[in-house]
Amino acid sequence: NYVLTQPHSVSGSPGETATISCTRNSGSIASNYVQWYQQRPGSSPTTVIYEDNQRPSGVPNRFSGSIDRSSNSASLTISGLRTEDEADYYCQSYESGNQDVIFGGGTKLTVL
Amino acid sequence: QVQLVQSGPEVKKPGASVKVPCKASGHTVSSYGISWVRQAPGQGLEWMGWISAYNGATNCAPRFQGRVTLTTDTSTSTVSMELRSLTSDDTAVYYCAFFFYYSSGSYYNFQSWGQGTLVSVSS
Repeated sequence: NYVLTQPHSVSGSPGETATISCTRNSGSIASNYVQWYQQRPGSSPTTVIYEDNQRPSGVPNRFSGSIDRSSNSASLTISGLRTEDEADYYCQSYESGNQDVIFGGGTKLTVL
Repeated sequence: QVQLVQSGPEVKKPGASVKVPCKASGHTVSSYGISWVRQAPGQGLEWMGWISAYNGATNCAPRFQGRVTLTTDTSTSTVSMELRSLTSDDTAVYYCAFFFYYSSGSYYNFQSWGQGTLVSVSS
């Protein structure tokens, strides 16, 4: 299976924009949808982006997702950072062939 | 909105087995799946496997094959995960997560998660 690589940590100040990358090491990032989950300490993960760039109802439009074929990566962008955005974020995708699910290692977002 | 309710914390000795149920409610479709994801203390999310509540199809991550059994009881909308031959490395919070299942290939968007079950393995 391929691997999804995320930076260990990202930080930003309130009001700024933070971007978290998720790079696929083999095969095209566009081959399989990418989801993004937010996990606050002591809580279960929740979806903030699904199917590359779709936002579930209730998720602020400050959250957006995209894929970049040239870098073979997906990105989660959070604009207008708020202190409540401080959390761990995980990208996730899957293998078309064996239907295995793949998680990135997670990124800790700190809002300073 | 789909809700997943899991059982309470478990304490097990090395070599024992644990079975964690996950009851789904609020879903209006029968074609869904439940995936199991665990998180060791201070670590990231690790996918373990999934089961289709629609047709009972299962898929487990290679490192858990032979040690994990996933079952479904459609009459109670409950899916269970049994993990055998526990070691201290299995100490983790175990989550179940809901996704829409398509026999032609699912997208694995885990739109709802259970509250997690802490399994502690210690002698």
